[in-house]
Formats: sequence, C-alpha cells, structure tokens
Amino acid sequence: GNSVTQMEGPVTLSEEAFLTINCTYTATGYPSLFWYVQYPGEGLQLLLKATKADDKGSNKGFEATYRKETTSFHLEKGSVQVSDSAVYFCALRLNTGFQKLVFGTGTRLLVSP
Amino acid sequence: DAGVTQSPTHLIKTRGQQVTLRCSPKSGHDTVSWYQQALGQGPQFIFQYYEEEERQRGNFPDRFSGHQFPNYSSELNVNALLLGDSALYLCASSLRWGTDTQYFGPGTRLTVL
Repeated sequence: GNSVTQMEGPVTLSEEAFLTINCTYTATGYPSLFWYVQYPGEGLQLLLKATKADDKGSNKGFEATYRKETTSFHLEKGSVQVSDSAVYFCALRLNTGFQKLVFGTGTRLLVSP
Repeated sequence: DAGVTQSPTHLIKTRGQQVTLRCSPKSGHDTVSWYQQALGQGPQFIFQYYEEEERQRGNFPDRFSGHQFPNYSSELNVNALLLGDSALYLCASSLRWGTDTQYFGPGTRLTVL
C-alpha cells in the first residue's frame, strides 16, 4: 500500500541550528510529495511540495528534494528560528483519479532561544 | 480571498449522540476532503466529495457520512458517537482539474464524553 514514514520526534534544536527531518515513502506509481506544518491549536498549512523526481520544493527557507532512487523527501532548513516550532507532516498523493493525501505521523520541532 | 472555513470550532458530545460538522471551501475550489486527526497522530482520510457525490472513501465505518451542496460546501455527519471519535476533524479543499494541492481549514475539535 501507500505509506509515509517520518523520523520520530521531538527534534530539539537551538536557534540558528541546521534542521533535517527525514521522510521516506512507499507508493504504487509516482506520487506528488508535500510537507505541511501545524502550529499549536491550528489546522495544517502547506509548506512546500514537489510533483516529480528531482524537483525541489522551497518556502520560507525550508527545502526538500524529491528523490525517487531513495524514495525520500527530507525537509531541511539552514537556520531555524523559535517561530519554526511546530509539528511537521510529510504526505504523498498519487496523481491518478480522486486521490487522498496519505500522511506520516508527524515530527514535532522544538526550537529554543 | 477567504480560505477554508469550518464550524463549529469546538464541540462536546456524549456517547451515542450524532454530530454535524460544516466546511466551506476556498473560493474557486470544487472538491472537499475530510480527515480525522487523533491526538498525536497524522490526519487520516475519511472521504472526498466532488459534484455532490462521494468519490473516494477511507477506512471509516458507515457511521461517518457526508454531503456536498451545490455551492461546494460540505457537511460531515457522525452517528452513534464513540469515545474514540474524539479528534480534530479537518476539511481540505482543492480544484479537481487544477493543481493537486489541498488547502486545510482550522479544524473542528470534537470531544466525546
């Protein structure tokens, strides 16, 4: 089946540290890949996406590259801020028909000053 | 441009009762999906509506039902509530023949006592 596996959290970093959150997927076909972020008490916000192999999604200093050979879509940021503290979800969507989003379990990021 | 809106924000019910949650999609979107997010988990797909019909369904019992109206807004109904139905219910909208990005509302927090 289709699934997404994320590294378990929480990930605890100091401000200005480098961030990596690992995400790997299993899919029948060629999915689109997404990172969503959820701040406390809120819904999900789209952070970035990539629709085909070798595409790089980027937004607000965050980046992720669609790696078909390793079935991965790791999220990175060069210098995190306290305001980046949130839960990050990796997700996939197959590009055929009416297809749902399949989410990972989420990774909580805590950034301290 | 209004984003996805959901009502109510919070809801408390007792076991066995019925509940209706409402969602208005982002302007211009014609497809609505519903997700259940249990505490500490990733969202799980419930079902998706397009042209007032359920197009795809996740692994949820028939107690979960929905509706889409001609103005594209949608309702999620849950009958015979169980304690395990306590969760954040998220609505997402998208454009059927556009990009595959789903935009989420802030969610409705349902507590079943």
